[in-house]
Amino acid sequence: GAVVSQHPSWVICKSGTSVKIECRSLDFQATTMFWYRQFPKQSLMLMATSNEGSKATYEQGVEKDKFLINHASLTLSTLTVTSAHPEDSSFYICSAGTIYEQYFGPGTRLTVT
Amino acid sequence: AQSVTQLGSHVSVSEGALVLLRCNYSSSVPPYLFWYVQYPNQGLQLLLKYTTGATLVKGINGFEAEFKKSETSFHLTKPSAHMSDAAEYFCAVSEISGSARQLTFGSGTQLTVLP
Repeated sequence: GAVVSQHPSWVICKSGTSVKIECRSLDFQATTMFWYRQFPKQSLMLMATSNEGSKATYEQGVEKDKFLINHASLTLSTLTVTSAHPEDSSFYICSAGTIYEQYFGPGTRLTVT
Repeated sequence: AQSVTQLGSHVSVSEGALVLLRCNYSSSVPPYLFWYVQYPNQGLQLLLKYTTGATLVKGINGFEAEFKKSETSFHLTKPSAHMSDAAEYFCAVSEISGSARQLTFGSGTQLTVLP
């Protein structure tokens, strides 16, 4: 139980285009999901907290107009990287959880050329 | 505010030797503490967690950690390293955020196991 999936697992896009990443909780309902970004050889940095039915809460320094988060249902949150640039290339990881534990998706490798 | 410090960004041990990865935390409330392992290009896998109760916590793959409140530490150990243990390890502390726990991660420790 407690499986979180992400799609796609990797994506290459051209600079200036937008990319959508999906995060799904497969066997439980997640009122809250989290989106992280991880640069090579670095730790996970929380980007935003996604709450079902309400606006996401962004961490300081994260551009909310660039990283659009939608949490339309209790099992799905999406992260859209708008007008992507090479510096947005990174590993994006989502998690979903309860007050006791978070469950992580396998991550999405984004490369912007 | 909560924070996590992992001492040593790289640790190398010989196969069969003791593994010790250090983690110290700061939290204004009783913490929930976690250790995760990450293999290249993969997500995070939970090794073990401390919530309440017994301070010595046993996890998967032979790992264990001890919560020491007086030292604000949660070090990860394994008696005998295996080649398959080579990976990145993250310590994390959490606090409630809405209906879920928000994690704050340490900077990570890359474990290398030498043959």
